[in-house]
Amino acid sequence: GAVVSQHPSRVICKSGTSVKIECRSLDFQATTMFWYRQFPKQSLMLMATSNEGSKATYEQGVEKDKFLINHASLTLSTLTVTSAHPEDSSFYICSARDFDRGENSPLHFGNGTRLTVT
Amino acid sequence: GQNIDQPTEMTATEGAIVQINCTYQTSGFNGLFWYQQHAGEAPTFLSYNVLDGLEEKGRFSSFLSRSKGYSYLLLKELQMKDSASYLCAVRDSNYQLIWGAGTKLIIKP
Repeated sequence: GAVVSQHPSRVICKSGTSVKIECRSLDFQATTMFWYRQFPKQSLMLMATSNEGSKATYEQGVEKDKFLINHASLTLSTLTVTSAHPEDSSFYICSARDFDRGENSPLHFGNGTRLTVT
Repeated sequence: GQNIDQPTEMTATEGAIVQINCTYQTSGFNGLFWYQQHAGEAPTFLSYNVLDGLEEKGRFSSFLSRSKGYSYLLLKELQMKDSASYLCAVRDSNYQLIWGAGTKLIIKP
């Protein structure tokens, strides 16, 4: 089955530093990947749609200069949280769909990254 | 606006059956998904419905009524490991996924 690998699983950083999160599709090509954020006891919130070879599409209210997304290849998308602050502490999850399996194929999620900003 | 409603929390007994409901109002419909999410982990895919009716997959079944904007996830022979949040998500006419807030299922021995 389709596997999405996300790294790191946990990261603790100091306020003001930047953190990069990687998302890889291991056995399929993902022209589009999705980045979500999830607060405790809340549902997934789509942050942005990452498109291979072009600019990401950000959801309303998400600062594109703070959450930098790069999708340089068909199997890798990265999310960089720049100048992180404690309020950025959250669970970040990437996902992708294997479009070769059709438009109705489900999303496959990475294992998520727990970011803690101190 | 678009809206997905599901109960916040449910409790059931090990070995029993539980039904988790999901109602939706979206701009168009291109399928409904159920995901399971254990605490601190990413969601995992459970089921997909695009036509009316029941889809059965082992102990889990999912039902859809498009005319009623309604789905349910049925879990049989509950096991302690089924304790998790269950997320209902609908794909709208733009193929955007609209997520419910999730139902936390607590299984008691």
